[in-house]
Amino acid sequence: QVQLVQSGAEVKKPGSSVKVSCKASGGTFSSYTISWVRQAPGQGLEWMGRFIPILGIANYGQKFQGRVTIIADKSTSTAYMELSSLRSEDTAVYYCATHSSSSFDYWGQGTLVTVSS
Amino acid sequence: QSVLTQPPSVSGAPGQRVTISCTGRSSNIGAGFDVHWYQQLPGTAPKLLIYGNSNRPSGVPDRFSASKSGTSASLAITGLQAEDEADYYCQSYDRSLSGYVFGTGTKVTVL
Repeated sequence: QVQLVQSGAEVKKPGSSVKVSCKASGGTFSSYTISWVRQAPGQGLEWMGRFIPILGIANYGQKFQGRVTIIADKSTSTAYMELSSLRSEDTAVYYCATHSSSSFDYWGQGTLVTVSS
Repeated sequence: QSVLTQPPSVSGAPGQRVTISCTGRSSNIGAGFDVHWYQQLPGTAPKLLIYGNSNRPSGVPDRFSASKSGTSASLAITGLQAEDEADYYCQSYDRSLSGYVFGTGTKVTVL
């Protein structure tokens, strides 16, 4: 069983960047894809992008292209999501999740990112 | 952006059966991509409830079932229990967007 532990809550100023980490344990890190999904307060789930460790490539949702970077460090089994040019609408809980096919099988506990001046 | 449409809320008395629809389009569900369902209890991360249109992961009660047809899918909860009160989301892949998409979410209330 895969367990995902994310970094703690962040408070950021508009225009700045945030980097959230997601450390995996259990399973083989390079065998599954890691996606990032966010949820604004009181809203639904929104897929941001994914990293495929075995290929070393990332794909991003159209809405986030140019503003998000997802990478993974196989040596520490940790994935990172960096979102730049933050605005108030980016205030949300950010989740990492693993998937071996197209379903998100295991989820991290979530990281609240608050963007406020 | 949510390209899969779900009813905002459904409710039922304990023991009853409720269903949640998930309507997509020809670029996602209608294109043959699998539909998956998630349960999100208040204040917690989503949990995979159904994968591959109708399969339950280990540990998910058989009160939960799902199906897919054409451009839509549905989740059924039979023998509704108080602990089923949560938000439910469907999810698939969209080839026009080249990415994963979620439903708008449905809040299930146990009366």
